[in-house]
Amino acid sequence: AQSVTQPDIHITVSEGASLELRCNYSYGATPYLFWYVQSPGQGLQLLLKYFSGDTLVQGIKGFEAEFKRSQSSFNPRKPSVHWSDAAEYFCAVGARNTGTASKLTFGTGTRLQVTL
Amino acid sequence: DGGITQSPKYLFRKEGQNVTLSCEQNLNHDAMYWYRQDPGQGLRLIYYSQIVNDFQKGDIAEGYSVSREKKESFPLTVTSAQKNPTAFYLCASSIPGRPNSPLHFGNGTRLTVT
Repeated sequence: AQSVTQPDIHITVSEGASLELRCNYSYGATPYLFWYVQSPGQGLQLLLKYFSGDTLVQGIKGFEAEFKRSQSSFNPRKPSVHWSDAAEYFCAVGARNTGTASKLTFGTGTRLQVTL
Repeated sequence: DGGITQSPKYLFRKEGQNVTLSCEQNLNHDAMYWYRQDPGQGLRLIYYSQIVNDFQKGDIAEGYSVSREKKESFPLTVTSAQKNPTAFYLCASSIPGRPNSPLHFGNGTRLTVT
C-alpha cells in the first residue's frame, strides 16, 4: 500500500526567500508523483509531476523538483518566493500498476504563508 | 476554454435532508471523481467513474451516492446517512487508462449542514 506524509503542516517564509516543500512517500514500486497547489476556496492546480525520464522537472510558478529515488523524495523548490505563492500545497502518489483511473493518495497538505 | 464547473459554490442544508452537488466538465474526459476535503486531512476519495453508467466506491463512500448518465456530468448526493457532511467537496476528471494522467479539478462546493 502506498502512503504519503507531509511533515510540515504550516510554513512561513519571507518574500524573496527560498522555499522547499517536503513530502515522504512509501510505495512498492516507482509511483507517479504529483504536487498540487490550492488557493483559498479554490480547486487544486497541478504544480509538478514526475513519471519517468529526466529526474529534474520544471513546474508552474517557477517551481522545480528533482526525483531522488534513493531518498524517496520529490520536493519542490523555489529560489525566491513571491507573495502570490501563499497557498496550500499537496503532494500525491499514484500507483503505476492500477491500469485504471488515476486514483491518487494525497498528503494532508502544507500551508504556505508569505510575509512581506 | 475547457474545464470543470461545480455548482453552487456554497450550499447550506438542514440536518436530515439529502443534497445534490453538481459537477459538469467539457474536457471530454471519461473518468470523473469526487473528493472530500477536511482541514488537516487532505483529500479523500468518495466515488469515481471511468465510463458512463459505471462508478466505483472510493475510500469514504458511506452516506454518499452518485450517478453517471452522461459523460459530462457526475452529480454527488450527500444523504442524511452521512454522519459529518459539512466539508469542502471537489470534483475532478482525468483521461482513463492512463494512471499518469493528472487530475483536473473544479473550484469546489462548500457544504454546510446545521
